[in-house]
Amino acid sequence: NAGVTQTPKFQVLKTGQSMTLQCAQDMNHNSMYWYRQDPGMGLRLIYYSASEGTTDKGEVPNGYNVSRLNKREFSLRLESAAPSQTSVYFCASSEAPRDAFFGQGTRLTVV
Amino acid sequence: AQTVTQSQPEMSVQEAETVTLSCTYDTSENNYYLFWYKQPPSRQMILVIRQEAYKQQNATENRFSVNFQKAAKSFSLKISDSQLGDTAMYFCAFMKRGSNYKLTFGKGTLLTVNP
Repeated sequence: NAGVTQTPKFQVLKTGQSMTLQCAQDMNHNSMYWYRQDPGMGLRLIYYSASEGTTDKGEVPNGYNVSRLNKREFSLRLESAAPSQTSVYFCASSEAPRDAFFGQGTRLTVV
Repeated sequence: AQTVTQSQPEMSVQEAETVTLSCTYDTSENNYYLFWYKQPPSRQMILVIRQEAYKQQNATENRFSVNFQKAAKSFSLKISDSQLGDTAMYFCAFMKRGSNYKLTFGKGTLLTVNP
């Protein structure tokens, strides 16, 4: 029972490089989310997808793009990484307020 | 927009004692949910307890209970019989009903349980 799986778990990028964070869930949830966690800031919503084929901006979307590839997968792309994007990234999925599940997180460092 | 405030960046408690973590929130909504999440050093986000705003009864999950004061917009977490494994960052979170289940988090409280 995998739940929400994120890859990679750790990544170091150089400023200006691009990368895609992958997320997949096996719980047949309609809604998926990307959050970032910074020290002293809690978790903040970057983008979310309420259903397959739809995406919407959250609180801090600048510098990111997302793709809801199918019901299972929701990816987050950094086109040109900046040091300000150094953070821990969490993918989550939900079907109802009682069922928010988080992945293990990706620690990204941009140097 | 909703805001969630956790006024205690760090707290500590002795093993087997009771500790209360504070959370206040600001919203004009009437239908919403409140959560406490635990994040141990493993980084995994673990749901501890949830409260539905329309329910007056405070939620309880084993050693964890909340004191939900809707009028005061307060949602504190009480941990009884603290255990070493309770050492973690704790986040309070708010979800507006019908908002596609988006969560708004507080900044967290780092709880250390001492032997």
